[in-house]
Amino acid sequence: EDKVVQSPLSLVVHEGDTVTLNCSYEVTNFRSLLWYKQEKKAPTFLFMLTSSGIEKKSGRLSSILDKKELFSILNITATQTGDSAVYLCAVEWGSQGNLIFGKGTKLSVKP
Amino acid sequence: KAGVTQTPRYLIKTRGQQVTLSCSPISGHRSVSWYQQTPGQGLQFLFEYFSETQRNKGNFPGRFSGRQFSNSRSEMNVSTLELGDSALYLCASSSGHLGQPQHFGDGTRLSIL
Repeated sequence: EDKVVQSPLSLVVHEGDTVTLNCSYEVTNFRSLLWYKQEKKAPTFLFMLTSSGIEKKSGRLSSILDKKELFSILNITATQTGDSAVYLCAVEWGSQGNLIFGKGTKLSVKP
Repeated sequence: KAGVTQTPRYLIKTRGQQVTLSCSPISGHRSVSWYQQTPGQGLQFLFEYFSETQRNKGNFPGRFSGRQFSNSRSEMNVSTLELGDSALYLCASSSGHLGQPQHFGDGTRLSIL
């Protein structure tokens, strides 16, 4: 059965810390891996990764994919309270772009 | 451009009733996917429509159905509501082609009493 597993499930850090969120997957017909940030409402798109070893970066956030070991990490440096959210990892599979989601990592950043 | 719009934002129903939720995708997007989000199960895929045709369906009972109109707007219907149907229902739109991410609406919070 296809699955996406995120760890840790929750994390509490202080402002300024660096965090690493993990996502492993076992999905047939893998196409890409996506990261989303969900605060109170809509998940917002962060990154889409299709190739191994190529880091994607946006400000203090970065992510990389390892297709051999079947995992991805999302790094956040110099965390701020506004980074507090649930971070969702999803794998796109098949020929039509459908997604399987992990259960998310809840990040709390304390001032 | 405007994002994905879901209506209503909140809904309270009782067991046995039925409900219809609406989703208007981003302009130009032809694919609409529906998800159920609960604290225990996370985000689970319900179904996906592309150009008025259901292309994929998740592992949900037949009480959950949907449709898509020619303007790409989509509706989801749940009949004979059960307490376990209480959840946040999210809609996401995309171009429908690989390599293009899905963008989500704010969801409809459905509570069953």
